[in-house]
Amino acid sequence: NAGVTQTPKFQVLKTGQSMTLQCAQDMNHEYMSWYRQDPGMGLRLIHYSVGAGITDQGEVPNGYNVSRSTTEDFPLRLLSAAPSQTSVYFCASSRDYTGANVLTFGAGSRLTVL
Amino acid sequence: DQQVKQNSPSLSVQEGRISILNCDYTNSMFDYFLWYKKYPAEGPTFLISISSIKDKNEDGRFTVFLNKSAKHLSLHIVPSQPGDSAVYFCAASAQSGGSNYKLTFGKGTLLTVNP
Repeated sequence: NAGVTQTPKFQVLKTGQSMTLQCAQDMNHEYMSWYRQDPGMGLRLIHYSVGAGITDQGEVPNGYNVSRSTTEDFPLRLLSAAPSQTSVYFCASSRDYTGANVLTFGAGSRLTVL
Repeated sequence: DQQVKQNSPSLSVQEGRISILNCDYTNSMFDYFLWYKKYPAEGPTFLISISSIKDKNEDGRFTVFLNKSAKHLSLHIVPSQPGDSAVYFCAASAQSGGSNYKLTFGKGTLLTVNP
Protein backbone atom coordinates (compact mmCIF):
# COMPACT_ATOMS: atom_id res chain seq x y z
CA ASN A 1 0.00 0.00 0.00
CA ALA A 2 1.91 3.06 -1.28
CA GLY A 3 -0.29 5.79 0.27
CA VAL A 4 0.46 9.20 -1.23
CA THR A 5 3.23 9.27 -3.86
CA GLN A 6 4.85 12.49 -5.01
CA THR A 7 7.22 12.94 -7.94
CA PRO A 8 9.79 14.31 -8.43
CA LYS A 9 11.45 14.48 -5.00
CA PHE A 10 13.81 17.23 -6.12
CA GLN A 11 13.64 19.72 -8.98
CA VAL A 12 15.63 22.79 -10.02
CA LEU A 13 14.00 25.25 -12.39
CA LYS A 14 14.98 28.53 -13.98
CA THR A 15 12.73 31.55 -13.62
CA GLY A 16 9.95 31.40 -16.19
CA GLN A 17 10.03 27.66 -16.74
CA SER A 18 6.94 25.56 -16.20
CA MET A 19 6.59 22.19 -14.57
CA THR A 20 4.13 19.81 -12.98
CA LEU A 21 4.43 18.18 -9.57
CA GLN A 22 2.70 14.83 -9.61
CA CYS A 23 0.64 13.40 -6.77
CA ALA A 24 -1.10 10.03 -6.71
CA GLN A 25 -2.89 8.16 -3.94
CA ASP A 26 -4.11 4.57 -3.90
CA MET A 27 -6.46 4.78 -0.91
CA ASN A 28 -9.55 5.88 -2.85
CA HIS A 29 -9.59 9.15 -0.91
CA GLU A 30 -12.06 11.78 -2.02
CA TYR A 31 -10.18 14.77 -0.62
CA MET A 32 -6.75 15.84 -1.91
CA SER A 33 -4.74 18.97 -1.30
CA TRP A 34 -1.41 20.69 -1.89
CA TYR A 35 0.56 22.53 0.79
CA ARG A 36 3.84 24.38 0.69
CA GLN A 37 6.24 24.58 3.61
CA ASP A 38 8.57 27.51 3.98
CA PRO A 39 10.97 28.27 6.85
CA GLY A 40 9.13 30.03 9.66
CA MET A 41 5.80 29.84 7.81
CA GLY A 42 4.47 26.38 8.60
CA LEU A 43 2.25 24.61 6.08
CA ARG A 44 0.09 26.75 3.83
CA LEU A 45 -2.73 25.41 1.67
CA ILE A 46 -2.37 26.08 -2.07
CA HIS A 47 -5.31 24.23 -3.67
CA TYR A 48 -7.61 21.42 -2.71
CA SER A 49 -10.15 19.06 -4.27
CA VAL A 50 -13.16 17.34 -2.71
CA GLY A 51 -13.59 14.90 -5.61
CA ALA A 52 -12.90 14.30 -9.29
CA GLY A 53 -13.71 17.39 -11.32
CA ILE A 54 -13.92 19.69 -8.28
CA THR A 55 -11.10 21.98 -7.19
CA ASP A 56 -10.85 25.17 -5.16
CA GLN A 57 -8.29 27.66 -3.96
CA GLY A 58 -6.56 27.63 -0.63
CA GLU A 59 -4.57 30.31 1.15
CA VAL A 60 -1.77 30.86 -1.42
CA PRO A 61 -3.07 29.83 -4.89
CA ASN A 62 -1.40 32.47 -7.09
CA GLY A 63 1.01 31.03 -9.66
CA TYR A 64 -0.37 27.49 -9.38
CA ASN A 65 -2.98 25.51 -11.29
CA VAL A 66 -4.58 22.18 -10.44
CA SER A 67 -6.99 19.73 -12.00
CA ARG A 68 -8.60 16.51 -10.75
CA SER A 69 -9.61 14.28 -13.64
CA THR A 70 -9.44 11.06 -11.59
CA THR A 71 -9.86 10.18 -7.92
CA GLU A 72 -6.24 9.02 -7.75
CA ASP A 73 -4.31 11.94 -9.24
CA PHE A 74 -3.98 15.60 -8.29
CA PRO A 75 -1.14 17.33 -10.21
CA LEU A 76 0.09 20.81 -9.32
CA ARG A 77 1.22 22.98 -12.22
CA LEU A 78 3.58 25.94 -12.05
CA LEU A 79 2.96 27.95 -15.21
CA SER A 80 5.90 30.36 -14.98
CA ALA A 81 8.18 29.60 -12.05
CA ALA A 82 9.42 32.42 -9.82
CA PRO A 83 12.09 32.38 -7.08
CA SER A 84 9.30 32.97 -4.53
CA GLN A 85 8.02 29.50 -5.38
CA THR A 86 11.17 27.88 -4.02
CA SER A 87 9.73 25.65 -1.32
CA VAL A 88 8.94 22.13 -0.21
CA TYR A 89 5.59 20.98 -1.55
CA PHE A 90 3.42 18.37 0.13
CA CYS A 91 0.44 16.59 -1.31
CA ALA A 92 -2.08 15.19 1.16
CA SER A 93 -5.31 13.22 1.01
CA SER A 94 -8.09 12.10 3.30
CA ARG A 95 -11.01 9.68 3.08
CA ASP A 96 -13.45 12.53 3.45
CA TYR A 97 -13.45 16.04 4.80
CA THR A 98 -15.81 15.68 7.71
CA GLY A 99 -14.84 15.52 11.31
CA ALA A 100 -11.19 15.91 12.01
CA ASN A 101 -10.21 15.54 8.32
CA VAL A 102 -7.07 13.55 9.11
CA LEU A 103 -4.67 14.02 6.22
CA THR A 104 -2.15 11.50 4.91
CA PHE A 105 0.85 13.32 3.48
CA GLY A 106 3.32 12.41 0.78
CA ALA A 107 7.07 12.62 1.38
CA GLY A 108 7.37 16.01 -0.30
CA SER A 109 8.89 17.58 -3.40
CA ARG A 110 11.69 20.10 -2.94
CA LEU A 111 11.63 22.77 -5.64
CA THR A 112 14.34 25.36 -6.23
CA VAL A 113 13.73 28.20 -8.68
CA LEU A 114 16.87 30.08 -9.76
CA ASP B 1 -3.76 37.00 10.00
CA GLN B 2 -2.35 33.94 11.71
CA GLN B 3 -5.28 31.93 13.04
CA VAL B 4 -3.20 29.12 14.59
CA LYS B 5 -0.16 30.16 16.58
CA GLN B 6 2.68 28.15 17.97
CA ASN B 7 4.73 30.77 19.76
CA SER B 8 7.66 28.56 20.72
CA PRO B 9 9.84 27.76 17.68
CA SER B 10 11.80 25.21 19.66
CA LEU B 11 11.77 23.19 22.88
CA SER B 12 14.47 21.05 24.45
CA VAL B 13 13.79 18.44 27.15
CA GLN B 14 15.59 15.56 28.79
CA GLU B 15 14.70 11.97 28.02
CA GLY B 16 12.10 10.65 30.44
CA ARG B 17 10.73 14.09 31.31
CA ILE B 18 7.48 15.66 30.12
CA SER B 19 7.32 17.68 26.89
CA ILE B 20 4.58 20.31 26.66
CA LEU B 21 3.90 21.91 23.30
CA ASN B 22 1.47 24.80 23.16
CA CYS B 23 -0.88 26.15 20.52
CA ASP B 24 -3.25 29.13 20.49
CA TYR B 25 -5.99 29.90 18.00
CA THR B 26 -8.08 32.94 17.20
CA ASN B 27 -10.96 31.58 15.09
CA SER B 28 -13.83 30.64 17.39
CA MET B 29 -15.34 28.54 14.57
CA PHE B 30 -12.59 25.94 14.85
CA ASP B 31 -14.04 22.73 16.25
CA TYR B 32 -11.41 20.11 15.47
CA PHE B 33 -7.78 20.27 16.41
CA LEU B 34 -4.97 17.99 15.33
CA TRP B 35 -1.29 17.50 16.01
CA TYR B 36 1.12 16.30 13.35
CA LYS B 37 4.71 15.21 13.73
CA LYS B 38 7.32 15.76 11.03
CA TYR B 39 10.77 14.26 10.71
CA PRO B 40 13.33 15.80 8.32
CA ALA B 41 12.88 14.84 4.66
CA GLU B 42 9.53 13.19 5.40
CA GLY B 43 5.92 14.28 5.19
CA PRO B 44 3.98 15.15 8.34
CA THR B 45 2.23 12.25 10.06
CA PHE B 46 -0.94 12.46 12.13
CA LEU B 47 -0.43 12.11 15.85
CA ILE B 48 -3.61 12.87 17.78
CA SER B 49 -6.76 14.95 17.49
CA ILE B 50 -9.45 16.40 19.71
CA SER B 51 -12.97 17.62 19.08
CA SER B 52 -14.20 20.83 20.66
CA ILE B 53 -16.79 18.87 22.66
CA LYS B 54 -13.95 17.33 24.67
CA ASP B 55 -11.27 18.85 26.84
CA LYS B 56 -8.84 15.93 26.82
CA ASN B 57 -7.83 13.09 24.54
CA GLU B 58 -5.19 10.53 25.34
CA ASP B 59 -3.30 8.02 23.19
CA GLY B 60 -0.48 6.21 24.93
CA ARG B 61 2.24 8.68 25.84
CA PHE B 62 0.46 11.53 24.06
CA THR B 63 -2.31 13.64 25.58
CA VAL B 64 -3.93 16.71 24.09
CA PHE B 65 -5.74 19.23 26.30
CA LEU B 66 -8.18 21.81 24.99
CA ASN B 67 -9.22 24.99 26.81
CA LYS B 68 -11.92 26.54 24.64
CA SER B 69 -12.44 29.62 26.76
CA ALA B 70 -8.75 30.46 26.42
CA LYS B 71 -8.59 29.25 22.80
CA HIS B 72 -5.58 27.19 23.79
CA LEU B 73 -4.50 23.61 23.36
CA SER B 74 -1.44 21.72 24.45
CA LEU B 75 0.23 18.43 23.63
CA HIS B 76 1.85 16.52 26.49
CA ILE B 77 4.36 13.75 25.83
CA VAL B 78 5.18 11.60 28.84
CA PRO B 79 7.77 10.21 29.07
CA SER B 80 9.70 11.90 26.28
CA GLN B 81 11.99 9.73 24.16
CA PRO B 82 14.81 10.69 21.78
CA GLY B 83 12.70 9.34 18.88
CA ASP B 84 10.14 12.05 19.65
CA SER B 85 12.59 14.66 18.37
CA ALA B 86 10.77 16.24 15.43
CA VAL B 87 8.79 19.30 14.37
CA TYR B 88 5.26 19.30 15.78
CA PHE B 89 2.50 21.13 13.95
CA CYS B 90 -0.78 22.17 15.47
CA ALA B 91 -3.71 22.31 13.02
CA ALA B 92 -7.36 23.28 13.21
CA SER B 93 -10.49 23.02 11.10
CA ALA B 94 -14.05 24.37 11.24
CA GLN B 95 -16.75 21.90 10.26
CA SER B 96 -19.53 24.42 9.97
CA GLY B 97 -19.99 26.64 6.94
CA GLY B 98 -18.25 24.23 4.58
CA SER B 99 -14.81 25.36 5.66
CA ASN B 100 -13.93 21.95 7.02
CA TYR B 101 -12.20 21.36 3.71
CA LYS B 102 -9.28 23.36 4.99
CA LEU B 103 -6.83 22.53 7.71
CA THR B 104 -5.02 25.60 9.04
CA PHE B 105 -1.57 24.87 10.41
CA GLY B 106 0.65 26.65 12.89
CA LYS B 107 4.31 27.33 12.15
CA GLY B 108 5.53 24.34 14.11
CA THR B 109 7.69 23.70 17.18
CA LEU B 110 10.97 21.81 16.94
CA LEU B 111 11.19 19.40 19.86
CA THR B 112 14.59 18.02 20.81
CA VAL B 113 14.73 15.23 23.37
CA ASN B 114 18.22 14.82 24.79
CA PRO B 115 19.41 11.37 25.96
